[in-house]
Amino acid sequence: EIVMTQSPATLSVSPGERATLSCRASQSVGSNLAWYQQKPGQAPRLLIYGASTRATGIPARFSGSGSGTEFTLTISSLQSEDFAVYFCQQYNRWPTFGGGTKAEIK
Amino acid sequence: QLQLQESGPGLVKPSETLSLTCTVSGGSISTTDYHWGWIRQPPGKGLEWIGSMYYIGSTYFNPSLKSRARISIDTSRDQFSLKLSPVTAADTAVYYCARQSSSYYYFDSWGQGTLVTVSS
Repeated sequence: EIVMTQSPATLSVSPGERATLSCRASQSVGSNLAWYQQKPGQAPRLLIYGASTRATGIPARFSGSGSGTEFTLTISSLQSEDFAVYFCQQYNRWPTFGGGTKAEIK
Repeated sequence: QLQLQESGPGLVKPSETLSLTCTVSGGSISTTDYHWGWIRQPPGKGLEWIGSMYYIGSTYFNPSLKSRARISIDTSRDQFSLKLSPVTAADTAVYYCARQSSSYYYFDSWGQGTLVTVSS
């Protein structure tokens, strides 16, 4: 099993600030990495796939980078609707998810 | 626009079978471009992939659940189903169905989720 570790567990950010979320894989997954956003009571929403490709309709303030075992999701300027939990998922082998990072208002 | 909707009992007794169905609308389940999967999320916790299916019938599962899970598909109704047996309290979770890219295996469209509680 490929274990995905996300950090930090909680990120306190002021609206308008930049947020950087990290995801580490226990072994290389190439670029087979996706990011999701989940708000309370809602299903996850795909943000990024292929480590850096934005999904349809996702604003440009969301960007993904990395390959191998180290990945980053950057939100350039947090909007009020961006405060949520973010999960990474690898699909190099059978899918596994990280434990999530909660972006909360500072 | 593609929509997925889970349905099934919200309460299941320990040792019995959890059965859920996902109905796909706004698109056909019989497509080579996608697989169809189940993911669950225990209350307050992270996401766990259960298994996925291709419309021709091939299935693959999380090794930790493989012995207890079954996925089937009904292309005439654009539905796919999950059975998990036997269940314990540890199977209490929100269960999501989702569409999965056949090429890259990420999940690009999700149902709203349904809470299944395992309790006597």
